[in-house]
Amino acid sequence: GIQVEQSPPDLILQEGANSTLRCNFSDSVNNLQWFHQNPWGQLINLFYIPSGTKQNGRLSATTVATERYSLLYISSSQTTDSGVYFCAVDMNNAGNMLTFGGGTRLMVKP
Amino acid sequence: DAGITQSPRHKVTETGTPVTLRCHQTENHRYMYWYRQDPGHGLRLIHYSYGVKDTDKGEVSDGYSVSRSKTEDFLLTLESATSSQTSVYFCAIFSGNSYNEQFFGPGTRLTVL
Repeated sequence: GIQVEQSPPDLILQEGANSTLRCNFSDSVNNLQWFHQNPWGQLINLFYIPSGTKQNGRLSATTVATERYSLLYISSSQTTDSGVYFCAVDMNNAGNMLTFGGGTRLMVKP
Repeated sequence: DAGITQSPRHKVTETGTPVTLRCHQTENHRYMYWYRQDPGHGLRLIHYSYGVKDTDKGEVSDGYSVSRSKTEDFLLTLESATSSQTSVYFCAIFSGNSYNEQFFGPGTRLTVL
């Protein structure tokens, strides 16, 4: 099956810093989503981005489908950005079964 | 809010007992999924459903069964729970119509002693 690798596995930032999270995948995909899992365990949808660039406030994402990677940018980080960020991909549109990466654990210190 | 609820939210049970987790959705989505999340890992697909009485296996289906007798409910059953099934279980939906994202429920934390 498709392999999804995220880097870095752990990241510690000072509040106000910027960061870039990376997701590499091993095959062509029809769907790519970024999620934030907050400290209470809730999975929050950030982006649906199988290709191109999107922005939502301080967060933006870019997927270069031909090179099989996606980047999540967090600018001016806040303590509420802490948690785990997951990338998930799907190759088959019919069932939309997601394969998740291992996640990047982010801690933002005040 | 995609209108997904899971019950129970927490459960402690003993090895060998049957357990059923429920996922309920209010927006008539066709596709529903069960994933499990273990420490240090992303989510892995257990089973999914593409309609009433239509289900299929995912990556880690051994030891689990599912049923979907009506659109709004998707049940996950552990026939005889084992300690290796201690995990957090997430339900998800996908409509496949106006948007192509999966949305997740709040999760059920299951501990098998």
